[in-house]
Amino acid sequence: GAVVSQHPSRVICKSGTSVKIECRSLDFQATTMFWYRQFPKQSLMLMATSNEGSKATYEQGVEKDKFLINHASLTLSTLTVTSAHPEDSSFYICSARLVRGAADEKLFFGSGTQLSVL
Amino acid sequence: SQQGEEDPQALSIQEGENATMNCSYKTSINNLQWYRQNSGRGLVHLILIRSNEREKHSGRLRVTLDTSKKSSSLLITASRAADTASYFCAPLMNRDDKIIFGKGTRLHILP
Repeated sequence: GAVVSQHPSRVICKSGTSVKIECRSLDFQATTMFWYRQFPKQSLMLMATSNEGSKATYEQGVEKDKFLINHASLTLSTLTVTSAHPEDSSFYICSARLVRGAADEKLFFGSGTQLSVL
Repeated sequence: SQQGEEDPQALSIQEGENATMNCSYKTSINNLQWYRQNSGRGLVHLILIRSNEREKHSGRLRVTLDTSKKSSSLLITASRAADTASYFCAPLMNRDDKIIFGKGTRLHILP
């Protein structure tokens, strides 16, 4: 099956630093990737849709200058949390769309990145 | 895009029993998908059912779809400890729809 690799799996950083999270589709090309964040015992919240070669589309309430998304190739999307603060501490998950046919579509997810900002 | 609403929010059953969880949605769909999330991990796609299908099977999973009631159910038969996870449904209005997740059903399989 399709594999999405996300790393790092865990990162601890000081307040004010920037953190980059990578999401790679290992055996397929992903024209669209999605970034979610999840707080403990809560559901996933869609942050943005990342399209290869174009600007990301952010959901309402998500600061695009705070969460920089780059989708420079068909297999790699990155999320950079700039000037991270403790309230940015969360579980970040990427996913990539696998399209096999006209009516068959799935998302494949990375294993997530736990960000802790001190 | 629309968000599915899973019910119940939490479910505890004995190992070996069947687990049923439900999903309701508001507007017509192209397909509906179910995902599982183990604690601290990403989601895993379980099964996709199209709007013109009423039932689909995959191993111990059985999904039904009632478009007239705008609802779906996921049945896990002969539950195992490894089935302990959160389950989310994702109704998609079209194939390019982004997926908005609801709160999910937290399933706990008791030994």
